[in-house]
Amino acid sequence: GESVGLHLPTLSVQEGDNSIINCAYSNSASDYFIWYKQESGKGPQFIIDIRSNMDKRQGQRVTVLLNKTVKHLSLQIAATQPGDSAVYFCAENTGGGNKLTFGTGTQLKVEL
Amino acid sequence: DGGITQSPKYLFRKEGQNVTLSCEQNLNHDAMYWYRQDPGQGLRLIYYSQIVNDFQKGDIAEGYSVSREKKESFPLTVTSAQKNPTAFYLCASSIGTLAKNIQYFGAGTRLSVL
Repeated sequence: GESVGLHLPTLSVQEGDNSIINCAYSNSASDYFIWYKQESGKGPQFIIDIRSNMDKRQGQRVTVLLNKTVKHLSLQIAATQPGDSAVYFCAENTGGGNKLTFGTGTQLKVEL
Repeated sequence: DGGITQSPKYLFRKEGQNVTLSCEQNLNHDAMYWYRQDPGQGLRLIYYSQIVNDFQKGDIAEGYSVSREKKESFPLTVTSAQKNPTAFYLCASSIGTLAKNIQYFGAGTRLSVL
């Protein structure tokens, strides 16, 4: 049988609505953050990144907000589409170097 | 076609057997990584390598081994000492600079125990 794993937080949105996915990070020394999208059975795909000297960065249909005071990161997706359905992970990099620490992820479900 | 290639896509291991997962990149990246992903969980770092002929243990290295003889290749061996190997294994690479560390991922290998 299938092994029991943790249940991911799930966000359900209607097609065309805006989505906001949140992430709390743990290390106040983290200076670089990345959002990844992972579709079922595939590897994570880079979406957008932000450095700690910024509090907002925009991409195509996506915006990342960083609040260092409360160690919180959010990903906003405008006009959510069915193809946006996936698990979204935030990752933090502490003090340079190459190591990233990943969050547990949020499942985004887009309803037609 | 550039990117990171993992093979095989699916792999089955018999008890007591060592198996090797392949990861090749043609992005000319210095750094490479192996992660393990269990159902409903995030990625956990197994091993990483910042340069050829050098690698470091990640958070869950026990029962795994790696080599980095060539810049483009970073194979992972799941040894018989790894008692719970069933998982989705992901390889990644990055330029390796200190300023920016986007890691680009392969499509993964799903390992199951027979």
